[in-house]
Amino acid sequence: NAGVTQTPKFRVLKTGQSMTLLCAQDMNHEYMYWYRQDPGMGLRLIHYSVGEGTTAKGEVPDGYNVSRLKKQNFLLGLESAAPSQTSVYFCASRKGGARYNEQFFGPGTRLTVL
Amino acid sequence: DQQVKQNSPSLSVQEGRISILNCDYTNSMFDYFLWYKKYPAEGPTFLISISSIKDKNEDGRFTVFLNKSAKHLSLHIVPSQPGDSAVYFCAASDFGNEKLTFGTGTRLTIIP
Repeated sequence: NAGVTQTPKFRVLKTGQSMTLLCAQDMNHEYMYWYRQDPGMGLRLIHYSVGEGTTAKGEVPDGYNVSRLKKQNFLLGLESAAPSQTSVYFCASRKGGARYNEQFFGPGTRLTVL
Repeated sequence: DQQVKQNSPSLSVQEGRISILNCDYTNSMFDYFLWYKKYPAEGPTFLISISSIKDKNEDGRFTVFLNKSAKHLSLHIVPSQPGDSAVYFCAASDFGNEKLTFGTGTRLTIIP
């Protein structure tokens, strides 16, 4: 049981390049989330999904797109990377049903945009 | 507008003593609160939670207190151990909302 995994762990991009971050969970969780963590800013929600085929915007969605084609995967895309998107990105998932289920986080992806 | 605030960026505590981490919130609709712990180069891990129908929840060395009238919660760790050195995030959600709002975190350092 690997929990939540994220690919890649590190990436360096040039301004204007695109990339996709992959999040996978093997806990059959309904909900999945993408956050970014910046110094002094805590964790901020980018996009989230309450089920396969559905996505919604979080607090800081601009410049990002997401897809949830399979229940176990949640992809985060950057179409044209900007230096402001340099951050550590965390994916999380949680079980549906009762709302008091905690979120389980992946190990993070450190992205640098030059 | 920071709806969940952790005003102390860092805290140092002697091993064996009590660590108290504080969190304030402004949204009166928040009714469920969680604490997460994060080690460097790892994702946050769930520590303890509390519903607004309670004012205290305990789990071993960890106790969370909620003061709804003051919109304040605190995490007590007793006794503090070196392995407790980490960044602690407070988070909150309101009924019907599938999202968590996180605070900015407090870095706790336990001094041996």
